Amino acid sequence: SQQGEEDPQALSIQEGENATMNCSYKTSINNLQWYRQNSGRGLVHLILIRSNEREKHSGRLRVTLDTSKKSSSLLITASRAADTASYFCATMRETSGSRLTFGEGTQLTVNP
Amino acid sequence: DAGVIQSPRHEVTEMGQEVTLRCKPISGHDYLFWYRQTMMRGLELLIYFNNNVPIDDSGMPEDRFSAKMPNASFSTLKIQPSEPRDSAVYFCASRRTGFNYGYTFGSGTRLTVV
Repeated sequence: SQQGEEDPQALSIQEGENATMNCSYKTSINNLQWYRQNSGRGLVHLILIRSNEREKHSGRLRVTLDTSKKSSSLLITASRAADTASYFCATMRETSGSRLTFGEGTQLTVNP
Repeated sequence: DAGVIQSPRHEVTEMGQEVTLRCKPISGHDYLFWYRQTMMRGLELLIYFNNNVPIDDSGMPEDRFSAKMPNASFSTLKIQPSEPRDSAVYFCASRRTGFNYGYTFGSGTRLTVV
C-alpha cells in the first residue's frame, strides 16, 4: 500500500499564483522527499527534509514537515507554466532500510 | 555525468516473449532500484540492490520477473514469459549511501505487451 497520500489529486492555477500540495503518511520516517515528473519522463528529485527538520527551502520551493501530524506540504511560489507536472512525496521509513515509498501524486497544471 | 541510463526507451512485444530491460546507474552510487509505474497502482518498488547484492525483492510480482546486477555499472530486469498485465513504465534509479540523498531516476522503459 502507498505510504504517502497526496492532496489534492489535481490542482489547476494561474501563472504567478502559489501552489500548495500536501502529503500524509502513516509510519515513522527517516526523511521525506518530493519529486517532480513531467509527462512521459522520469522523476526528478526536488528536495529532501529529514525527520528532525521542520522547514526547508530551495529556490521557489518550500517544504514543511510535521512529524506529530505525519504530514508535509510543498509550496511552489510564483508558479510558471513550466511547473506543470505531477508531484510526488516519498518517505523513507525507519524500518524499511533504503527503500522509498511513493504516494499517488498531485497533478499540477499552471495556466499561462 | 550522463545520469541513470535505461534501454530501450520503448519496447513492444508479444505475449509469451522474453523481455530484458537494462540500466546503467550513476558511477559511485551504491544503491540501485527498479520501480514500475502504472495508472492503477502508481509507483511500485520491485527490487533493490546495495553494492550489487539484492536486498529486497518482495515487490517482484512473481517468478516470471528476475533481476540481476553483475557489476556496479549494470543491471537487468527480465520478464519471461511476458503478459499483457506487465505493460507499464519501468524505472531504474540509483543513489549514494546515506539518508541525506535522493534518488536519481532514469527516463524509463515503456513496455507494451500485446
